[in-house]
Amino acid sequence: EAGVAQSPRYKIIEKRQSVAFWCNPISGHATLYWYQQILGQGPKLLIQFQNNGVVDDSQLPKDRFSAERLKGVDSTLKIQPAKLEDSAVYLCASSFDRNNNYGYTFGSGTRLTVV
Amino acid sequence: GQQLNQSPQSMFIQEGEDVSMNCTSSSIFNTWLWYKQDPGEGPVLLIALYKAGELTSNGRLTAQFGITRKDSFLNISASIPSDVGIYFCAGRRSNFGNEKLTFGTGTRLTIIP
Repeated sequence: EAGVAQSPRYKIIEKRQSVAFWCNPISGHATLYWYQQILGQGPKLLIQFQNNGVVDDSQLPKDRFSAERLKGVDSTLKIQPAKLEDSAVYLCASSFDRNNNYGYTFGSGTRLTVV
Repeated sequence: GQQLNQSPQSMFIQEGEDVSMNCTSSSIFNTWLWYKQDPGEGPVLLIALYKAGELTSNGRLTAQFGITRKDSFLNISASIPSDVGIYFCAGRRSNFGNEKLTFGTGTRLTIIP
């Protein structure tokens, strides 16, 4: 099966600019996650979708970050305006359903550099 | 947000050596997972553990789910060059597959020629 697709792979922007990332999960996977991975740290969950509904966005900085999954398939994550500390790899992951108790599948990520 | 504590932070070993690393938490998890991340890629699942005390192997990798449910261990036997990377533990509070994972701080493995 095809993996989790993310684009772009790299993005460099100036602080206060806007940026958007795209994710296409594995076909049929109901749950989609966005994780932020700062250099030297483990991934940290930003937001979790179940189909097109938000399950957990408790760690999403909502003053500048937003995410949507309108049709329950693809998702976009937006940062507006970006800060220097947003420099990180943004990982998208997907899983089938709650009864599939395996670790989910990650995409290759988008590396964001804010200058 | 919480991150699990992994040790050591980094390891420098020679090819053929065995490797041990561990992961600890202040709270209980009911599922433990071990991932490996190569440069420029997302983490890839290595081993999943579902019961306290469980010992599971995947080739040269062996992982254990601690009896207290607050820790887990990963061993790699006879290391080879492709084992180089960052290893992350991850915990899940429930047995439901779509609940979020909490990740560890990572152990970077380097093989010295």
